[in-house]
Amino acid sequence: DTAVSQTPKYLVTQMGNDKSIKCEQNLGHDTMYWYKQDSKKFLKIMFSYNNKELIINETVPNRFSPKSPDKAHLNLHINSLELGDSAVYFCASSQGGGAVAYNEQFFGPGTRLTVL
Amino acid sequence: AQSVSQHNHHVILSEAASLELGCNYSYGGTVNLFWYVQYPGQHLQLLLKYFSGDPLVKGIKGFEAEFIKSKFSFNLRKPSVQWSDTAEYFCAVKGYGNKLVFGAGTILRVKS
Repeated sequence: DTAVSQTPKYLVTQMGNDKSIKCEQNLGHDTMYWYKQDSKKFLKIMFSYNNKELIINETVPNRFSPKSPDKAHLNLHINSLELGDSAVYFCASSQGGGAVAYNEQFFGPGTRLTVL
Repeated sequence: AQSVSQHNHHVILSEAASLELGCNYSYGGTVNLFWYVQYPGQHLQLLLKYFSGDPLVKGIKGFEAEFIKSKFSFNLRKPSVQWSDTAEYFCAVKGYGNKLVFGAGTILRVKS
């Protein structure tokens, strides 16, 4: 199936640990994103990569580090996890990531991260 | 900075009732507008989008939305809801920089 996939779907971990979430898209898109959906269901963009280059970097703690090994993958690594990091993290992709891009974003199923 | 406001956080309707979910945005430039839906336990899916042209946009599953530039609004409508429309609905706007800004979402519950 053509889609945006994320692993794992659920992640439960202790405070202070380091964890990674992986995202892959096989839609041939050149732009990928990470969003955070907090407990109030508010979705906010964290990062965006276009052709492996960081183009959007919102005010996110530097404990969060995205890595894009190629156009089809955008992984999110989180160091020293804190309670407030608990949320659902969504990956998305689109074709075109420049200043003017008229294409919709396709979302992955989300990763529910719980920090204990 | 762009922002999106969805007026109702929770809406409860009976089947066959008409639906209108409000969405207002603040951004002075050219915008692209979207409505996404998140069914229980599922990921975000695009319902409809507006880029240019006819301000009345038709989407999947009988939904439509009207872009009113003078009111900075993009309200979502459906003439007759079904139980299967129970979901959370997110309005989103994209302005300069390809950044998609979401509203807080509206939870719709349709009683059968």
